[in-house]
Order: sequence, then structure tokens, then C-alpha cells
Amino acid sequence: EAGVAQSPRYKIIEKRQSVAFWCNPISGHATLYWYQQILGQGPKLLIQFQNNGVVDDSQLPKDRFSAERLKGVDSTLKIQPAKLEDSAVYLCASSRRSGQVDTQYFGPGTRLTVL
Amino acid sequence: GENVEQHPSTLSVQEGDSAVIKCTYSDSASNYFPWYKQELGKRPQLIIDIRSNVGEKKDQRIAVTLNKTAKHFSLHITETQPEDSAVYFCAASNLIRSSTLTFGKGTMLLVSP
Repeated sequence: EAGVAQSPRYKIIEKRQSVAFWCNPISGHATLYWYQQILGQGPKLLIQFQNNGVVDDSQLPKDRFSAERLKGVDSTLKIQPAKLEDSAVYLCASSRRSGQVDTQYFGPGTRLTVL
Repeated sequence: GENVEQHPSTLSVQEGDSAVIKCTYSDSASNYFPWYKQELGKRPQLIIDIRSNVGEKKDQRIAVTLNKTAKHFSLHITETQPEDSAVYFCAASNLIRSSTLTFGKGTMLLVSP
């Protein structure tokens, strides 16, 4: 089974610029997660989708971050405008279904550097 | 919300020794506790998990124990090998509410030959 795909793998931008990340989950996985992993820390959930609906976006900085999952498959995460503190690895994960013991499979991540 | 504390932040052992990583959680309603291994520059990968109705689970050289009363769970690695060197993250979730994982800050394990 193919894993979670993410692109780009690396991105360098200047502060106040915009950036977008793309995620393609494992086929058939209804739940999709975006995490932010700052160097030396554990992943922090930004947003969770169940199909194309938002389950949890309580930690998403909505003034600058947005995410969508049209048609319940691929997802994009956007930052506009970026700040220095947004430098991190953005991980996408997917699982079959929420509310059950269900392994989250992670993508390779996108390493964002904001200068 | 849930808060997960993880200790130690770094752990150095000799090959063949055992390693123990400990985590505590704050939300007594959490009922699912996975452990992820992340090698340098790679994605986190699940290595073992435990549900709150089980006190211990073992998979070859890896075991996890859970003490619900103390809100404490631990990862035990026996007969460590250099390829066990990585960052290990514990996490907690309330599967009744959602599958959202709250992660600890990670433990860097270094196994020296």
C-alpha cells in the first residue's frame, strides 16, 4: 500500500510571503491530520479532517493558517503571511477512521524555513 | 486539554543494555497511548501502542506498561542495538472524543556499540 505523500519536501521563503503544502493520504483513509513539528519538539496537531469536514482546528492559528480537504481526499495547508516562528516541519498523517484504535501513518513532511 | 510530559529528553546506553522512557499524562479520560520512533530526517513510525484496558503489552524487544491510577506509561527496550538510536515520542488520545494525539517532547536515544 502506498504511503502518505507530501510535497514539496523543502521550502524556503521570506517572512510575509505565502506558502502552500499538499498532502495525499493513504487510499481509503477517511481521517487526515496536519501537524507542526518545531525542531526538538513533538508534533503538534494543527487540524484534523474527517472526510472533508473539520473535526478539530482548535490549535490552528486561523489569522494566518488555512486548510482544506476538498472531496475528502487530498488536502492543502496554507500559511499567509509567514512568520519566522513558522519555521518547522509540517507533517501530514492519515488513518482509516476516527474514534477507534487506528494507527496514524505519517508522510515524510515538508521542511519550511522562513527567513 | 491533554498535556503529556516525557522524560528523559536524552538517553545514552551501551549496546545490549535496556532503555526506559517515561511519560505522564493529565487527562484521565485518555485511553490510547502509542509510541512513535523517528529517525533523523524521517517520518514518525508507530512501534507499539496500548489501550487503557491493558496494563502491559510486549512485542519482541519492546514493551509498554500503563498505570492508569498514576496516569503514567513507559516504554521499555531490551537488548538495545545501534539501530534503535532515534527520537522516541509518546502520545495520548481519548478515542471516545476523537483520535487526536497529544505528543510528548521526545527522547533522543543513543545506543553506542
